[in-house]
Amino acid sequence: GIQVEQSPPDLILQEGANSTLRCNFSDSVNNLQWFHQNPWGQLINLFYIPSGTKQNGRLSATTVATERYSLLYISSSQTTDSGVYFCAVKENTNAGKSTFGDGTTLTVKP
Amino acid sequence: DAGITQSPRYKITETGRQVTLMCHQTWSHSYMFWYRQDLGHGLRLIYYSAAADITDKGEVPDGYVVSRSKTENFPLTLESATRSQTSVYFCAVKGQTNTGELFFGEGSRLTVL
Repeated sequence: GIQVEQSPPDLILQEGANSTLRCNFSDSVNNLQWFHQNPWGQLINLFYIPSGTKQNGRLSATTVATERYSLLYISSSQTTDSGVYFCAVKENTNAGKSTFGDGTTLTVKP
Repeated sequence: DAGITQSPRYKITETGRQVTLMCHQTWSHSYMFWYRQDLGHGLRLIYYSAAADITDKGEVPDGYVVSRSKTENFPLTLESATRSQTSVYFCAVKGQTNTGELFFGEGSRLTVL
């Protein structure tokens, strides 16, 4: 099956700093999502981005499908951004299943 | 998401007991999924269902049983719980398009003593 690698595994920032999280995948995909898992365990949809660039407030994401990677940018980080960020991809050849990376744990310090 | 309800949210049981986790959706979407999340790891797919009465194994199906007699419900049963099944279980529903987004329930935290 498809392999999904996220980097870095852990990231510690001072409030106000910017960061870039990366998701590499090993095969063609027709769906890529970024999720934020907050400290209470809830999985929150951030972006559905199989290709191109999207922005939502301080967050933006870019997927370059031909090069098999996606980036999540967080600008002016806040303590509420802390948590785990996951990317999940769905292969072109598979009708339903999504595969998750192991996540990036972000800690934003005040 | 408010359209997906998992129950129970928290469960403590003993080794060898049967446990059923329920997932209910209000949208009648076709695809439903069960994932487990263990400390320090991402989500791993247990089982999924493409429609009522159609289910298939995911990455880690051993020790679990699923059924889907109604589109809205997708129960996950641990027939004889083991300590290694202590985990947080997430139910997900896929949007109706072929490349639809995944939406997750709030999770069920299961502890097997």
